Amino acid sequence: GAVVSQHPSRVICKSGTSVKIECRSLDFQATTMFWYRQFPKQSLMLMATSNEGSKATYEQGVEKDKFLINHASLTLSTLTVTSAHPEDSSFYICSARGLDQRSPLHFGNGTRLTVT
Amino acid sequence: GENVEQHPSTLSVQEGDSAVIKCTYSDSASNYFPWYKQELGKRPQLIIDIRSNVGEKKDQRIAVTLNKTAKHFSLHITETQPEDSAVYFCAASRDNAGNMLTFGGGTRLMVKP
Repeated sequence: GAVVSQHPSRVICKSGTSVKIECRSLDFQATTMFWYRQFPKQSLMLMATSNEGSKATYEQGVEKDKFLINHASLTLSTLTVTSAHPEDSSFYICSARGLDQRSPLHFGNGTRLTVT
Repeated sequence: GENVEQHPSTLSVQEGDSAVIKCTYSDSASNYFPWYKQELGKRPQLIIDIRSNVGEKKDQRIAVTLNKTAKHFSLHITETQPEDSAVYFCAASRDNAGNMLTFGGGTRLMVKP
């Protein structure tokens, strides 16, 4: 079945540094990928929709200059958390779907970011 | 925007019993309702979904019902097993393709052997 690979699975960084998270669709092409944030014991909150070859669409309240999204190809989207702070510590998950809009969403395994 | 409420937040059942999780949504234009199972630290896995032109859908021990008039939908798990223990999320989308999902708050299901 369709696989979405997310890397790294865990990352610890110091406050003020930037962290890049990759989301790859391994066996299908995805024009659209989604980035979510999940706090402990809470639900997934959609942060932004990543569109191949164009600018990402951010949800209300999500700072686009802080969470940089690049979707340079049909199989790769990246989320860069810039100038990370401890409150950015969270579980970040991406999802992607194939070119057929009726195909199901496939989620990555998530990235646990800890900012010290 | 869409608001999805999910209840209960935790649910403990004995192995073999049934479990029911309920969700309500606010946007009457929503027409796609998936359910996800998420084990600790893992990715959400789609377990079943329903579209607004259907009132009920079943897949082995799992069923979902949808009441568009009342704007609520429910997940039913019968003959629960310990491996059903996980967090379950409902979601809603007005996009028939299931983009732009709004998730419920989640239900932690614990199945006691």
